[in-house]
Amino acid sequence: NAGVTQTPKFQVLKTGQSMTLQCAQDMNHNSMYWYRQDPGMGLRLIYYSASEGTTDKGEVPNGYNVSRLNKREFSLRLESAAPSQTSVYFCASSLRTRNNEQFFGPGTRLTVL
Amino acid sequence: AQTVTQSQPEMSVQEAETVTLSCTYDTSESDYYLFWYKQPPSRQMILVIRQEAYKQQNATENRFSVNFQKAAKSFSLKISDSQLGDAAMYFCASRMDSSYKLIFGSGTRLLVRP
Repeated sequence: NAGVTQTPKFQVLKTGQSMTLQCAQDMNHNSMYWYRQDPGMGLRLIYYSASEGTTDKGEVPNGYNVSRLNKREFSLRLESAAPSQTSVYFCASSLRTRNNEQFFGPGTRLTVL
Repeated sequence: AQTVTQSQPEMSVQEAETVTLSCTYDTSESDYYLFWYKQPPSRQMILVIRQEAYKQQNATENRFSVNFQKAAKSFSLKISDSQLGDAAMYFCASRMDSSYKLIFGSGTRLLVRP
């Protein structure tokens, strides 16, 4: 099992460009999440999907959109990238149970110039 | 609002010694879960240990154990017999039973001296 995979691993964008970060999991998890990690800070939740067909905002959703394509895939889209969105982005997934451990992907380092 | 605070930006320990990383949290809920995650230079987030708030017994995973003080809202991580491979960023996190959201602290960088 690959666990949680993310593409791409690195990306450089110019201000105003758009892009989609892809995430897939093969653990048959119900819930999926997108976090961002800025220097000197812990991870902050951008959006999450408790189950297929649902999405909800996290702490820092502005400037992002998400799509839960199916049970396996959860994408994050930046419509018009800004330098403030320079960060490392992590996708995670978990079972929808009371004591759900979240499993994380390897992260995508995004730089917006 | 739910918050998690790690007041030690960096800690250092001699190989084979014991080190304790501190974490405090704030919540108004009675049911919640606490986690410690390790992030090595590879950036991969790895779950080290978790604690359910309704359990009084402190969780233990091999060389890793926690000191959970519910009244004080404190959740420290003790690493015994430290190894070079323990060098990493360590993040404390909490999740309320009513939510899927993990709230992270700002992290503690652990250095292990050979």
